[in-house]
Amino acid sequence: DTGVSQNPRHKITKRGQNVTFRCDPISEHNRLYWYRQTLGQGPEFLTYFQNEAQLEKSRLLSDRFSAERPKGSFSTLEIQRTEQGDSAMYLCASRSGTKNTEAFFGQGTRLTVV
Amino acid sequence: GENVEQHPSTLSVQEGDSAVIKCTYSDSASNYFPWYKQELGKRPQLIIDIRSNVGEKKDQRIAVTLNKTAKHFSLHITETQPEDSAVYFCAASILNRDDKIIFGKGTRLHILP
Repeated sequence: DTGVSQNPRHKITKRGQNVTFRCDPISEHNRLYWYRQTLGQGPEFLTYFQNEAQLEKSRLLSDRFSAERPKGSFSTLEIQRTEQGDSAMYLCASRSGTKNTEAFFGQGTRLTVV
Repeated sequence: GENVEQHPSTLSVQEGDSAVIKCTYSDSASNYFPWYKQELGKRPQLIIDIRSNVGEKKDQRIAVTLNKTAKHFSLHITETQPEDSAVYFCAASILNRDDKIIFGKGTRLHILP
């Protein structure tokens, strides 16, 4: 499978615990995006990268959220001290940034905070 | 920053009829407008997109129109079929600048038999 890959697919955690998600973009895609999607809503922008540089982080995102893309390939999204309101689907997308404008999504990581 | 509004939130049409979903955007610098389809339990997938240098684009039963002056764009699906039932998202982006992609809240389309 050469598409965008996200792991894990599902994560259940207790409130207050830290969680980390991983996204492997399509090879050679230099743009990588993180979104959060709750039931009945559109993907909400969280942050994005051009290669290893984090270009923008949503002002709606608290300091408990952090993302990295250390070598410009895979990315991780960490949530510290999880809250019930963090329960959502976390989607990753990647884009070429040069030739193709289409952004391809992964299947997402569904987080449930209990 | 960019804000994308989408209407309606739910749309039901008889099979064979047409469906229209409308979006507005706030940043006049936006120049790329993709539409994504998300089936239940699946990832969003691109179905059609349009750049700001054209007013309309068609791909079989799907078309998108863009009015830059009004900052408005629409998705048109003709001869709807049961497999068109899904959630549709519009989005806006500024290519070759920040490239951030901002989505609307989505339209749940039901195709009635």
